[in-house]
Amino acid sequence: DGGITQSPKYLFRKEGQNVTLSCEQNLNHDAMYWYRQDPGQGLRLIYYSQIVNDFQKGDIAEGYSVSREKKESFPLTVTSAQKNPTAFYLCASSIDREEGTQYFGPGTRLLVL
Amino acid sequence: GQNIDQPTEMTATEGAIVQINCTYQTSGFNGLFWYQQHAGEAPTFLSYNVLDGLEEKGRFSSFLSRSKGYSYLLLKELQMKDSASYLCASYNAGNMLTFGGGTRLMVKP
Repeated sequence: DGGITQSPKYLFRKEGQNVTLSCEQNLNHDAMYWYRQDPGQGLRLIYYSQIVNDFQKGDIAEGYSVSREKKESFPLTVTSAQKNPTAFYLCASSIDREEGTQYFGPGTRLLVL
Repeated sequence: GQNIDQPTEMTATEGAIVQINCTYQTSGFNGLFWYQQHAGEAPTFLSYNVLDGLEEKGRFSSFLSRSKGYSYLLLKELQMKDSASYLCASYNAGNMLTFGGGTRLMVKP
């Protein structure tokens, strides 16, 4: 079955700690995206990548970092610089950036201890 | 800037029809997406409108008026499983999606 997987489903972060959220897709999609969702707010774009070894900042990139070493994988690191990391994080992919339809993974809920 | 507005919450009765409105003010508008999201789950694609008019897909229909910056999602024969959030998103220049805050629909028996 083709799809997007995210792990873990829940993640706890201590103060000053960096944590990494996994996103993997086997849809052979070129473009991948990371969004943050807070209650009552729309999805906000953190980072996106059009092709391997390339990525661009979205609207709220501060305190986050990404890598795109493989087409299938687009991990997101929430660094200690992100002062309000508690949110639902969604990864998505599309065939390429020209094709607008994005398909989402199941999400990771990050909580701060 | 980009601005998407949709109602925060709506309530409807099982078997009824409900219309969820979305207005947008975006630059470089290419089209309008609707996604369904159950609590704690991933958004799933419902529809994409590029041209003006109504597109029907089973119990769900989506309408777009580019001149008015307006779209709606119409859900017919409501079922309890339709209780979810419905996200409106504009597809803009630069091939980016801008999402509204979502409309939480509660379907009552």
